[in-house]
Amino acid sequence: GENVEQHPSTLSVQEGDSAVIKCTYSDSASNYFPWYKQELGKRPQLIIDIRSNVGEKKDQRIAVTLNKTAKHFSLHITETQPEDSAVYFCAARATGGGADGLTFGKGTHLIIQP
Amino acid sequence: KAGVTQTPRYLIKTRGQQVTLSCSPISGHRSVSWYQQTPGQGLQFLFEYFSETQRNKGNFPGRFSGRQFSNSRSEMNVSTLELGDSALYLCASSAGQGINQPQHFGDGTRLSIL
Repeated sequence: GENVEQHPSTLSVQEGDSAVIKCTYSDSASNYFPWYKQELGKRPQLIIDIRSNVGEKKDQRIAVTLNKTAKHFSLHITETQPEDSAVYFCAARATGGGADGLTFGKGTHLIIQP
Repeated sequence: KAGVTQTPRYLIKTRGQQVTLSCSPISGHRSVSWYQQTPGQGLQFLFEYFSETQRNKGNFPGRFSGRQFSNSRSEMNVSTLELGDSALYLCASSAGQGINQPQHFGDGTRLSIL
């Protein structure tokens, strides 16, 4: 089955700086890669997703890049703000018969220092 | 549009008991997935239902089961509860038939086993 590795486990950045979280996946059949943000005691919230026919996707201060050859995808947050502090999860999913659900990374605790 | 609703929010059980958790998807969504979230294992896929049929199943023992009703509402059941079943159980719904439709999570049911 799919295996998703996520780094770093904790990331501390100064407010206004950029943050980058990286994930690798093992199943070359995976073609859907969402990112979720989970604040303490709250539900995971979908913030951006990308499909394998696209190399990059942006939504305001958030961007995701995908390198299918290397099986890497990354989340980029620019001009970080205090409300960006949360745990971020990457995930991967393959299509096709018998495909499993989303496989998640272990999460990155993003801390925005004022 | 109302989000994914899970009931109950909190549940305390003892070893050996069984439990049923409920999930109402976003109106119009026909796919429901269940995940277990623990500090040690992170988010793990349990199963997915679409149009009352189980479409995918994760690597959990047979004590974990689920079903979906004609109105897309879903329930999951855990029998013979073990201490290790203590976790946050999250339900996510998605629209359409495509495997890679965005999944939106509910607030979860926090299950504690004594």
